[in-house]
Amino acid sequence: EVQLVESGGGLVKPGGSLRLSCAASGFTFSTYSMNWIRLAPGKGLEWVSAISGSSSYIYYADSVKGRFIISRDNAENSLFLQMNSLRAEDTAVYFCARESTGTTNTWVDPWGQGTLVTVSS
Amino acid sequence: QSVLTQPPSVSGAPGQRVTISCTGSSSNIGAGYDVHWYQQLPGTAPKLLIYRNNNRPSGVPDRFSGSKSGISGSLAITGLQAEDEADYYCQSYDISLSSFVFGTGTKVTVL
Repeated sequence: EVQLVESGGGLVKPGGSLRLSCAASGFTFSTYSMNWIRLAPGKGLEWVSAISGSSSYIYYADSVKGRFIISRDNAENSLFLQMNSLRAEDTAVYFCARESTGTTNTWVDPWGQGTLVTVSS
Repeated sequence: QSVLTQPPSVSGAPGQRVTISCTGSSSNIGAGYDVHWYQQLPGTAPKLLIYRNNNRPSGVPDRFSGSKSGISGSLAITGLQAEDEADYYCQSYDISLSSFVFGTGTKVTVL
């Protein structure tokens, strides 16, 4: 069974840092691009970042560029999101999700259960 | 900031048919990129409902169907059931932003 399990969320002060992890199982992790997507309270889904299977290609939403760093460890079947200089507007549930094809014309499936990040003083 | 626009809410009685629109632009859906749909039940992660405009993953009831025309996509739910109460999001790719884009989300209420 394909499974994604996020961890690392919590309460952090503005300007602080947090590192999210996503443990993958049930598929050949290294052959899939992975994404982080977030859902803020009262708002819709927002794509955050993506990384290709070999880490050769990395993309960020403008809202997090320069503050967040996506990475992966294929030996450990893990995806990470290092979140720095956090702001109140980064408060959200963060999901990791697997891309289904190797093209831009793709969808994500499955999704992890999400981990809550709260940025507040 | 969502570049795909959906109605905030739609509602219907059990057994009725409801549709959700997803309107984009010439840089995403109108550029030929596919529309995909996700269902998010309360307190759970989003789940893939429709991929490549009109394809259902295994296990998704055939009450759910999708279509695409021009700069818009559409999700239809026929024979509405209480368990269909959820938030629904469309998704595509935007060539100007070079990123996935999601719709604003639609809450479906079963009366």
